Amino acid sequence: AQSVAQPEDQVNVAEGNPLTVKCTYSVSGNPYLFWYVQYPNRGLQFLLKYITGDNLVKGSYGFEAEFNKSQTSFHLKKPSALVSDSALYFCAVRVLYGNNRLAFGKGNQVVVIP
Amino acid sequence: GAGVSQSPSNKVTEKGKDVELRCDPISGHTALYWYRQSLGQGLEFLIYFQGNSAPDKSGLPSDRFSAERTGGSVSTLTIQRTQQEDSAVYLCASSLTSGRASEQFFGPGTRLTVL
Repeated sequence: AQSVAQPEDQVNVAEGNPLTVKCTYSVSGNPYLFWYVQYPNRGLQFLLKYITGDNLVKGSYGFEAEFNKSQTSFHLKKPSALVSDSALYFCAVRVLYGNNRLAFGKGNQVVVIP
Repeated sequence: GAGVSQSPSNKVTEKGKDVELRCDPISGHTALYWYRQSLGQGLEFLIYFQGNSAPDKSGLPSDRFSAERTGGSVSTLTIQRTQQEDSAVYLCASSLTSGRASEQFFGPGTRLTVL
């Protein structure tokens, strides 16, 4: 079954420092991977996705993610974090049967410290 | 353009009452999903609609939950005889197609509190 894991509960980073949010996946076949961000009292916003092709995917708000097949990882990165990046981040994988729904990780709270 | 909208944004109800949650997907999107976000459970899939096909109800937690989608657009999630464990944020998402590469766009959610 397709699933993702986000091993950390909370990520604290100082403003201006690089931000990394970790995600590992478990799939049978080719993975379709997504990152979403959720700001307080808001719905999820799509950041980026990996379908095929270049392992480095660029997305919204300066975020990027690197697909690593050998490590089965899809870590989200931002070179220089902003206070406004403080939010809840979800990694997700497409379930490749039936309804093609998204299976989400538990989410990571990111706190950017001024 | 308009995104996915949901109403109400907040709903407080008493245990045992029925509630209806509404979702307006992005115009032209054929696929519609309902998810539930609760503390300790993360995001869980509830139900899926694709065009005029029969819905996939495999994620509904009990027969107290039902949903419909009228005219391939607006969807309503109904919870009968609400229980305290139904308290959660209910999120609706739509996508242009049900294809694997098609990203889902989420509404702001309805926060349901069952007293």
